[in-house]
Amino acid sequence: GAGVSQTPSNKVTEKGKYVELRCDPISGHTALYWYRQSLGQGPEFLIYFQGTGAADDSGLPNDRFFAVRPEGSVSTLKIQRTERGDSAVYLCASSLTSGSYNEQFFGPGTRLTVL
Amino acid sequence: AQTVTQSQPEMSVQEAETVTLSCTYDTSESDYYLFWYKQPPSRQMILVIRQEAYKQQNATENRFSVNFQKAAKSFSLKISDSQLGDAAMYFCAYRGRVSYGGATNKLIFGTGTLLAVQP
Repeated sequence: GAGVSQTPSNKVTEKGKYVELRCDPISGHTALYWYRQSLGQGPEFLIYFQGTGAADDSGLPNDRFFAVRPEGSVSTLKIQRTERGDSAVYLCASSLTSGSYNEQFFGPGTRLTVL
Repeated sequence: AQTVTQSQPEMSVQEAETVTLSCTYDTSESDYYLFWYKQPPSRQMILVIRQEAYKQQNATENRFSVNFQKAAKSFSLKISDSQLGDAAMYFCAYRGRVSYGGATNKLIFGTGTLLAVQP
């Protein structure tokens, strides 16, 4: 079956613009996670969805970042008024349920570059 | 708050040899999971091996094994018979053990170790 997919693979934007990053989880996975990986760093947690609701958004850096998952499947990470510091790889992962034993399967990420 | 530390930014190993990657962590929790992930240039994180903290036996997956020292909060990865395809960034990660719907499902990663395999 298909794994986690993310689009676009690469996104270049200008400072101040709005961007949307999409994540398509593995079919049937109820839990979805977003992470941000800056250059030379490990991924850092942003937000976690269980179904349609955000169960933990404690990792979102500020109110310019927002994510939705309206039908409990595809999720969109939205960044307003982008800044150069937002440049990073944004990784999405999904797991069958939110139980801690369940493996998180990662997508290939979206590399965001803010000029 | 939990933290994960990888003190080796880069490591190198000869093909067919054995290499050990180090990881230490800090937590006040008694039950948790530890992971090693591999990230090749394609960026896709791949789970290599998982250890449950309440299990004393070290996890093994083919050529990959861990040395889990709970009291020392140490979790190293040993790769035996290294292959060219093992070259990648390796991340150690921590995850708390939660009940269904709990808010600590996030993975906490270290900064990674870049492994080069020399032919």
